Amino acid sequence: DAGVIQSPRHEVTEMGQEVTLRCKPISGHNSLFWYRQTMMRGLELLIYFNNNVPIDDSGMPEDRFSAKMPNASFSTLKIQPSEPRDSAVYFCASRRTGTSGVGEQFFGPGTRLTVL
Amino acid sequence: GDSVTQMEGPVTLSEEAFLTINCTYTATGYPSLFWYVQYPGEGLQLLLKATKADDKGSNKGFEATYRKETTSFHLEKGSVQVSDSAVYFCALIVSSNTGKLIFGQGTTLQVKP
Repeated sequence: DAGVIQSPRHEVTEMGQEVTLRCKPISGHNSLFWYRQTMMRGLELLIYFNNNVPIDDSGMPEDRFSAKMPNASFSTLKIQPSEPRDSAVYFCASRRTGTSGVGEQFFGPGTRLTVL
Repeated sequence: GDSVTQMEGPVTLSEEAFLTINCTYTATGYPSLFWYVQYPGEGLQLLLKATKADDKGSNKGFEATYRKETTSFHLEKGSVQVSDSAVYFCALIVSSNTGKLIFGQGTTLQVKP
């Protein structure tokens, strides 16, 4: 199993540019989560999807952030326009629901975003 | 609301020392509790979990017991190694349907040889 795949691993961009982060969940997982990690705020849940449908986006900082999941094997997180305070590590995680017990979330390696 | 509080780090120990990282929680329902570990430059990995009161989760020499009476889930290891240096996150899920994890702020552990 390849695990959760995120791309790019590193992104450096200038303020005002559009940034798109990509995630491929583990095959067969039907829940997907986007997190942001910073020194100041720790690990924050931005949005999560069940069966490709956004369930809770209350953690999305503002309208500059948007996320989509067009199918079960792909999700994007877009920031437009980007700002220096968006600099962080962004993690994607996936999980299989519908099984007995509590399903573990599997995390990708993260995308380190730097906005200059 | 639901929340998790961890002891502040960093925690610095010598190899073979005993480790305790405290974690307490507040939850409206009956949560499942987790410890995740993040090694440098990597994503989080599940270390252990417990789904009901008095359950003990264990893995790689680490243990944590779900204490409902004290709303705690402290992480322990009898003898740490340099390779245990990482950030440790305590977390809970209240609704297994959503799988929405609520994390503590993380505790950095540094083990010196």
